[in-house]
Amino acid sequence: ETGVTQTPRHLVMGMTNKKSLKCEQHLGHNAMYWYKQSAKKPLELMFVYSLEERVENNSVPSRFSPECPNSSHLFLHLHTLQPEDSALYLCASSQRTGQIGELFFGEGSRLTVL
Amino acid sequence: AQSVSQHNHHVILSEAASLELGCNYSYGGTVNLFWYVQYPGQHLQLLLKYFSGDPLVKGIKGFEAEFIKSKFSFNLRKPSVQWSDTAEYFCAVNARGNYQLIWGAGTKLIIKP
Repeated sequence: ETGVTQTPRHLVMGMTNKKSLKCEQHLGHNAMYWYKQSAKKPLELMFVYSLEERVENNSVPSRFSPECPNSSHLFLHLHTLQPEDSALYLCASSQRTGQIGELFFGEGSRLTVL
Repeated sequence: AQSVSQHNHHVILSEAASLELGCNYSYGGTVNLFWYVQYPGQHLQLLLKYFSGDPLVKGIKGFEAEFIKSKFSFNLRKPSVQWSDTAEYFCAVNARGNYQLIWGAGTKLIIKP
């Protein structure tokens, strides 16, 4: 148990669907992250939120839309995705963004786009 | 651009063998260094980290890593592996003052019982 919970664990969607991934952290951290993990590739940072403000958007296509309503919750809204977006999406949190000490990860949401 | 290179995508060892996984990074400034591990079906978790001080750092489960600044390396070692060490191992580098972690592509380690 990491203190970071992601739902759903698995998601299959068509290219025209709209779905959302949810992340919740119970660690009292101030920073939250979305990463994309694809086989044989480095983790790709997608978004960073610090105290509910987005501080990084790593040239992510607009079909991915993050939302951070408070410091404990992070969402990733998905719409009109492409098959190449199929991957494991990881949420992580850290105490702060200024200097990364340790990231705490959730178990991920495995997304398959048909 | 900063990058992290992990030399082997797959490593297969027998139990009790010694392990060394390579990690090299490209960044000339001061860095923080990390090794994370992902056991099958589980979340990524921190194995060990280096911020400053003794370049030989010890982590959980008998792992250690040595920071060699002149070689831009942070190799992971374990003297005697166990079947339970089967996992994927990721090296990551953070430039001081920057919130981005730069990740290697990972090394899948399989330990044969």
